[in-house]
Amino acid sequence: KAGVTQTPRYLIKTRGQQVTLSCSPISGHRSVSWYQQTPGQGLQFLFEYFSETQRNKGNFPGRFSGRQFSNSRSEMNVSTLELGDSALYLCASSLVGVNTGELFFGEGSRLTVL
Amino acid sequence: AQSVTQLGSHVSVSEGALVLLRCNYSSSVPPYLFWYVQYPNQGLQLLLKYTSAATLVKGINGFEAEFKKSETSFHLTKPSAHMSDAAEYFCAVSESATGANNLFFGTGTRLTVIP
Repeated sequence: KAGVTQTPRYLIKTRGQQVTLSCSPISGHRSVSWYQQTPGQGLQFLFEYFSETQRNKGNFPGRFSGRQFSNSRSEMNVSTLELGDSALYLCASSLVGVNTGELFFGEGSRLTVL
Repeated sequence: AQSVTQLGSHVSVSEGALVLLRCNYSSSVPPYLFWYVQYPNQGLQLLLKYTSAATLVKGINGFEAEFKKSETSFHLTKPSAHMSDAAEYFCAVSESATGANNLFFGTGTRLTVIP
């Protein structure tokens, strides 16, 4: 069974640009969550999507957005990039209801903002 | 509000020695508690979870954790450390029974195993 796939794995952007990250969940998983990981703040919840609807949202500015498609694939977008957005962005998929909190993580997309 | 505190950002143990990683939680509702492990340049992998069943939870790779409500703790242990256990470990909490998958993670503990 294929795991969670995130693309791209590494990318470099400059301040003011925008970026789109993609996540393909494990087949059959309908919930996709996104987390930001930085050395200073650790792992922080961005948002969760289920059935193409945002179900939960963390405490991030509106520059951070996401969406989920009918095949459960998800994208997140960060607009007007800031230096502080440099981080590892992790996507996680899960079944809903049965295994609450049991997340399967991808290897992440490492974003560097210059 | 939920939160997790992991005591000790770095822990070093000798190979074969006991591993003890500490986690204390705060939650206004019965919590679900988790330990995840992250190897270098990889995502997180679930080690074990507590969801209000048995208080002693066994996970993968010989790890286990005990839920102690009176101490609001969920410490992770392994009787004998192996070199392959070197990684970063995260404790996490979520609200029970909501179906939500937004976890609150601790700041992590980096485990070093000395040969």
